[in-house]
Amino acid sequence: GAGVSQSPSNKVTEKGKDVELRCDPISGHTALYWYRQRLGQGLEFLIYFQGNSAPDKSGLPSDRFSAERTGESVSTLTIQRTQQEDSAVYLCASRSGTNPYEQYFGPGTRLTVT
Amino acid sequence: AQRVTQPEKLLSVFKGAPVELKCNYSYSGSPELFWYVQYSRQRLQLLLRHISRESIKGFTADLNKGETSFHLKKPFAQEEDSAMYYCALSGGGSARQLTFGSGTQLTVLP
Repeated sequence: GAGVSQSPSNKVTEKGKDVELRCDPISGHTALYWYRQRLGQGLEFLIYFQGNSAPDKSGLPSDRFSAERTGESVSTLTIQRTQQEDSAVYLCASRSGTNPYEQYFGPGTRLTVT
Repeated sequence: AQRVTQPEKLLSVFKGAPVELKCNYSYSGSPELFWYVQYSRQRLQLLLRHISRESIKGFTADLNKGETSFHLKKPFAQEEDSAMYYCALSGGGSARQLTFGSGTQLTVLP
């Protein structure tokens, strides 16, 4: 079956512009995560969605970052007024309710802020 | 706060040699530990988790709570093992978000 997909695969934007990143999770997966990976570093947790519950936003680095998810479908991560330090690979992962141990990752979106 | 440390950014071994990728963690409760792997031009994927005590592709990892370590081992490395390896910790609860180490790039030389 189809895995997690993300779009765009690459995004170059000018400092100060807003960007929107998209994640399509595996169908039926109730949990969805966003992570950020800066060059040479590990993945940092950003936000978690579980069904219709309120999202866990504890990892968002600033109020310029926000994310939405409608039900158990697509999620979008929005970064407003981008800064150069936002340059990173943004990874999305989804997880099923029946297998709580494995997260399935998308290919990521490489964001470059110039 | 939870933290995962992988002290080696790069590790090279020869084919057939044993390999050990180090991982240490800090967490006040009972963590769940994982190893994720990313092969060249592929997406990140789960390799193994401590709770299942399984061996995947010849790799094993034992959780040592006394030393707060979860090192990944393989007795005889293969060239196809060359990849980026990430140790990750989940503090449990319903969210199960992962805290990742910074990764170790393993290169197995012919």
